[in-house]
Amino acid sequence: KNQVEQSPQSLIILEGKNCTLQCNYTVSPFSNLRWYKQDTGRGPVSLTIMTFSENTKSNGRYTATLDADTKQSSLHITASQLSDSASYICVVSARCGDYKLSFGAGTTVTVRA
Amino acid sequence: ETGVTQSPTHLIKTRGQQVTLRCSSQSGHNTVSWYQQALGQGPQFIFQYYREEENGRGNFPPRFSGLQFPNYSSELNVNALELDDSALYLCASSFGPTGEQYFGPGTRLTVT
Repeated sequence: KNQVEQSPQSLIILEGKNCTLQCNYTVSPFSNLRWYKQDTGRGPVSLTIMTFSENTKSNGRYTATLDADTKQSSLHITASQLSDSASYICVVSARCGDYKLSFGAGTTVTVRA
Repeated sequence: ETGVTQSPTHLIKTRGQQVTLRCSSQSGHNTVSWYQQALGQGPQFIFQYYREEENGRGNFPPRFSGLQFPNYSSELNVNALELDDSALYLCASSFGPTGEQYFGPGTRLTVT
């Protein structure tokens, strides 16, 4: 059973608009949560990483939030650009000392002019 | 760019054949993790190598095997290829088993 669920599976937005992606997880005990951007056919690139005590982290036009109590995270993209078209993957790590990462299936974002 | 390189970029194999994929880790990293990513899915953990030893394995059969060399580069070998092995194979390097993982660009394997 996948311990990281993402929604929506895909979305299409117009250039300049904002969007929010969701991630729910059941991984426990929680260590940290990362959002990655993956261009088609390429490896994932880290956008943000948050630990238990952090509830917001920004990287340019990307802002991630974390609610460790409800085990939910979101990634907000502001003023989308064509280059934002990619898959966005939520990745959760269990407690320190556990090297295994739990990956969501990703949300595919398509930005249209 | 993460400094992690993989080769080849793409390859096509026939069912039953064997394949070797290669990964060069980022400078200073001593750990390599391998993942299989089917189309439209998130990466699935295959195994991890730390200091030339296998440090953990996901739910993959023994025909998936690996090596890590003294320079910390790594190989993934897959024997008796099946059609379902068609996927993007990603490697990620880190400093230590629980360090931040940096991904390579992947190798796209197609089995026909």
